[in-house]
Amino acid sequence: NAGVTQTPKFQVLKTGQSMTLQCAQDMNHNSMYWYRQDPGMGLRLIYYSASEGTTDKGEVPNGYNVSRLNKREFSLRLESAAPSQTSVYFCASSEGLAGHEQYFGPGTRLTVT
Amino acid sequence: GENVEQHPSTLSVQEGDSAVIKCTYSDSASNYFPWYKQELGKRPQLIIDIRSNVGEKKDQRIAVTLNKTAKHFSLHITETQPEDSAVYFCAASVYDYKLSFGAGTTVTVRA
Repeated sequence: NAGVTQTPKFQVLKTGQSMTLQCAQDMNHNSMYWYRQDPGMGLRLIYYSASEGTTDKGEVPNGYNVSRLNKREFSLRLESAAPSQTSVYFCASSEGLAGHEQYFGPGTRLTVT
Repeated sequence: GENVEQHPSTLSVQEGDSAVIKCTYSDSASNYFPWYKQELGKRPQLIIDIRSNVGEKKDQRIAVTLNKTAKHFSLHITETQPEDSAVYFCAASVYDYKLSFGAGTTVTVRA
């Protein structure tokens, strides 16, 4: 079991460029999440998907879009990157409704210049 | 939405001493309180969690206490060891999927 995997591990973008962060889980989890982690601010939820076919905004969704491609995969897209989106991005998954452990991926370190 | 505050932001302890991290939450309907540990350069991992119908939970050297009336919960690490050095995050959620995380506490265990 690989658990939660993310690609790429590192990425440097210029302002205005677009990119998609990929996430996949092999634990047959229903729910998936995208967080960003910035120094001194903990983990902030960008978007989440309660189950295949549904997505909802989290705390900081502006500038991002997501796609729940199937039960395993949940991608995060930056349409026009900005320096404020420089961060470490974590994907996570959990078995189901609230109260379940979230399993995190290894993270993607994104720098926007 | 839920607001979780975490204190202190940094904590330095002598090896073998105890460490305590405190969190407060704003939404009295919150009912699930996990703690995650993140080692340098690694992903966050769950170390312990507690639900609102329980006041205290222990797992070896770590324990979590919950005071629903005061809306705060704490992580206690006893007999600290160098491998306890990490960033610890508390979180809280109501009956939905959204965990609200605290800002984190960087714990350093001095040998």
